[in-house]
Amino acid sequence: GNSVTQMEGPVTLSEEAFLTINCTYTATGYPSLFWYVQYPGEGLQLLLKATKADDKGSNKGFEATYRKETTSFHLEKGSVQVSDSAVYFCALIGNNNDMRFGAGTRLTVKP
Amino acid sequence: DTEVTQTPKHLVMGMTNKKSLKCEQHMGHRAMYWYKQKAKKPPELMFVYSYEKLSINESVPSRFSPECPNSSLLNLHLHALQPEDSALYLCASSLRPPGQGSNQPQHFGDGTRLSIL
Repeated sequence: GNSVTQMEGPVTLSEEAFLTINCTYTATGYPSLFWYVQYPGEGLQLLLKATKADDKGSNKGFEATYRKETTSFHLEKGSVQVSDSAVYFCALIGNNNDMRFGAGTRLTVKP
Repeated sequence: DTEVTQTPKHLVMGMTNKKSLKCEQHMGHRAMYWYKQKAKKPPELMFVYSYEKLSINESVPSRFSPECPNSSLLNLHLHALQPEDSALYLCASSLRPPGQGSNQPQHFGDGTRLSIL
């Protein structure tokens, strides 16, 4: 079945550091890929998405590129802020139409 | 601000109580979802409603009873819950149900944090 694997956390960075959170997937066909962010005490917010190979999703300085050759959708940000501290979930919707989440990666950004 | 509204935000109940969680969206979405999220874990799908009809039940115990009165509202009725049911319950919606057109992202509410005494 479809699955998502993302790097285990927690990740701790200093403000203005470069962020990468790795995400790889297993799916048949051409899934749509998503990054969600969950701030403390809140639900999940859609951060960005990509629906086909080589698409780049971007939002709030975050980017991720759909790489079919490496089945990856790594999340990057050039300069993180304290306010980016949250849990980040990689997810996919595949041909069988159910959403699969990765385990989540907790990011803490220190001033 | 989330476009999916869940009430209450917090709920504490005993194992013999009956309570309901409510979810509302006015985005014209025709699919609605209930998820359960334990601490430090991703959300787990419980139910999917497509065009107000239950389309997926992920083998959820009968002490959880979903209801979709209309296209904007989704309820989750709770009865005789167990301590292990304590979790964050998330509602989500998407423009179209899975399998109908392109894969639509799901929009989540802020959840109801449920504690069973």
